[in-house]
Amino acid sequence: GQQVMQIPQYQHVQEGEDFTTYCNSSTTLSNIQWYKQRPGGHPVFLIQLVKSGEVKKQKRLTFQFGEAKKNSSLHITATQTTDVGTYFCAGFRVTTDSWGKFQFGAGTQVVVTP
Amino acid sequence: DGGITQSPKYLFRKEGQNVTLSCEQNLNHDAMYWYRQDPGQGLRLIYYSQIVNDFQKGDIAEGYSVSREKKESFPLTVTSAQKNPTAFYLCASTPTSGGLNEQFFGPGTRLTVL
Repeated sequence: GQQVMQIPQYQHVQEGEDFTTYCNSSTTLSNIQWYKQRPGGHPVFLIQLVKSGEVKKQKRLTFQFGEAKKNSSLHITATQTTDVGTYFCAGFRVTTDSWGKFQFGAGTQVVVTP
Repeated sequence: DGGITQSPKYLFRKEGQNVTLSCEQNLNHDAMYWYRQDPGQGLRLIYYSQIVNDFQKGDIAEGYSVSREKKESFPLTVTSAQKNPTAFYLCASTPTSGGLNEQFFGPGTRLTVL
């Protein structure tokens, strides 16, 4: 089953407002990535977090990785219509076959009202 | 231009028929992946290949098969054994296997089984 939970599933935002999407894992992650998928498109890489407690910023987007490396968040300030899309987190954990794999969250679909 | 191509963009098949989805990359990446995306769900891993002539099952491999005879190609066959094959299929690649690489996605193939 889904081991990486992402909330909320939907987010309606008025243009100019802020919002946050959260990602929670049942197990400790090696690292986590965030992707954005525009309607009708494919996922595009946004950022990667590796260190415990890491915070990274990309213009209006702020990404955090929890101290226990089990949760992460994406905060967008002053939402614009270009922020429309679905945001996915993808947590990587090492598995017993010594490789490891990504587990994607279900995504947060963001709709922006002008 | 370097990238990943998937063809066709839309595919229709009758129930009971096998169908092969194409994925080609000219990024010289070693690792390639197939994901399935259903509405309201994240990406689920079907198969992955860390290197040419090698591949492993992902989380939902039943009813699917792959081959990796060339580094740049990783075709996915959806067999008649797959009970619910209608979905959006995404191919991805990374320079090497492991979790610290950004995943590059192709544009996807939307398969509809009638």
